[in-house]
Amino acid sequence: KAGVTQTPRYLIKTRGQQVTLSCSPISGHRSVSWYQQTPGQGLQFLFEYFSETQRNKGNFPGRFSGRQFSNSRSEMNVSTLELGDSALYLCASSSWGSGGAVIHEQYFGPGTRLTVT
Amino acid sequence: AQSVSQHNHHVILSEAASLELGCNYSYGGTVNLFWYVQYPGQHLQLLLKYFSGDPLVKGIKGFEAEFIKSKFSFNLRKPSVQWSDTAEYFCALPRGTASKLTFGTGTRLQVTL
Repeated sequence: KAGVTQTPRYLIKTRGQQVTLSCSPISGHRSVSWYQQTPGQGLQFLFEYFSETQRNKGNFPGRFSGRQFSNSRSEMNVSTLELGDSALYLCASSSWGSGGAVIHEQYFGPGTRLTVT
Repeated sequence: AQSVSQHNHHVILSEAASLELGCNYSYGGTVNLFWYVQYPGQHLQLLLKYFSGDPLVKGIKGFEAEFIKSKFSFNLRKPSVQWSDTAEYFCALPRGTASKLTFGTGTRLQVTL
């Protein structure tokens, strides 16, 4: 089974621009979560999508948004980029909601490293 | 509010030394816990998970962890580390059955030859 894939792997943007990151989950997984990883704040939850609906949201400003498509692929968008948005953005998928075990582990992609200059 | 704390930020060990990384949690609901590992340049991988039942959980690559409810802890252990265990280790707490994970700040383990 192919793992979680994220594109692009690296991005350099200028402050004020916007960016869209893409995530393709493991086949059959309908839950996709996004995390931001920085040296200072560690791993922080951004949001989770399930069946095209945002189910959970972390404490990030409205500049961070996402969506999920009918094939479970997900995108996240950051508008009006700030220097502090430089981070590794991780996508994770899980089989939550597909029946079976109560807790479903998350499988992480390699991440997109965003640098804002 | 749920939280996870890892007090060891950077640990340096020689090969064959024993390892114990601390993880403490704060959560009022049913507790499930994970340990993830991030090898240099690689993505996060699940090491082991605790859902319920036996508090001693065995994971991949010889790692194990013990859930001690009275101490709110889920420490990661390995009797003999290898140079290839050099990585960053994260303890994580899922919120209920949802896919929202609260991560600890991570422990960077460096194993020297």
